[in-house]
Amino acid sequence: DAGVIQSPRHEVTEMGQEVTLRCKPISGHNSLFWYRQTMMRGLELLIYFNNNVPIDDSGMPEDRFSAKMPNASFSTLKIQPSEPRDSAVYFCASSFPAESYPTDTQYFGPGTRLTVL
Amino acid sequence: SQQGEEDPQALSIQEGENATMNCSYKTSINNLQWYRQNSGRGLVHLILIRSNEREKHSGRLRVTLDTSKKSSSLLITASRAADTASYFCATADNYGQNFVFGPGTRLSVLP
Repeated sequence: DAGVIQSPRHEVTEMGQEVTLRCKPISGHNSLFWYRQTMMRGLELLIYFNNNVPIDDSGMPEDRFSAKMPNASFSTLKIQPSEPRDSAVYFCASSFPAESYPTDTQYFGPGTRLTVL
Repeated sequence: SQQGEEDPQALSIQEGENATMNCSYKTSINNLQWYRQNSGRGLVHLILIRSNEREKHSGRLRVTLDTSKKSSSLLITASRAADTASYFCATADNYGQNFVFGPGTRLSVLP
């Protein structure tokens, strides 16, 4: 398996522009997570999907951020409009829960390094 | 509020020595996981320990969990330069949700 795939790997954009990050989870995994990592705030969970349905989006910073999962093999995280403080590495992770719990071992993608000028 | 807090923030040891990292958390958990992150890479899952387990081993890794103290430790024995990375603990609540990572311990293993 190719693992979790994220694109682009690097994105440089100007303030005010729309940014779309993409993620393809591991085939068969039914939970998907979006994280943001910065030096100041560490690793933060933004949103979590289970069976394509958003379960917990309490970590989404504000209305400028939105995430979708139209099917089991694709998710997007969109920032519109982008701001310099959104600069971070954004990770996508997927998991296949064991037993009855929705969170278990997570497999991370390589991340997208976003720079907003 | 942050659930997992690793200690120490940074650790530097010589190759061959053991490295111990600790994680403390605040609320009841379903499981606690340890991940490793090499510089510029995504996180890699190392080991998961459930709330009803006290100790788990995986190769050179040993994880303990003390739910009464709300703490866990990760021991890496006979460290190697390749173990140089940041190590994070992460916890999920009793419903398996509210998945939170700690700030991490940066481990440097010197050859």
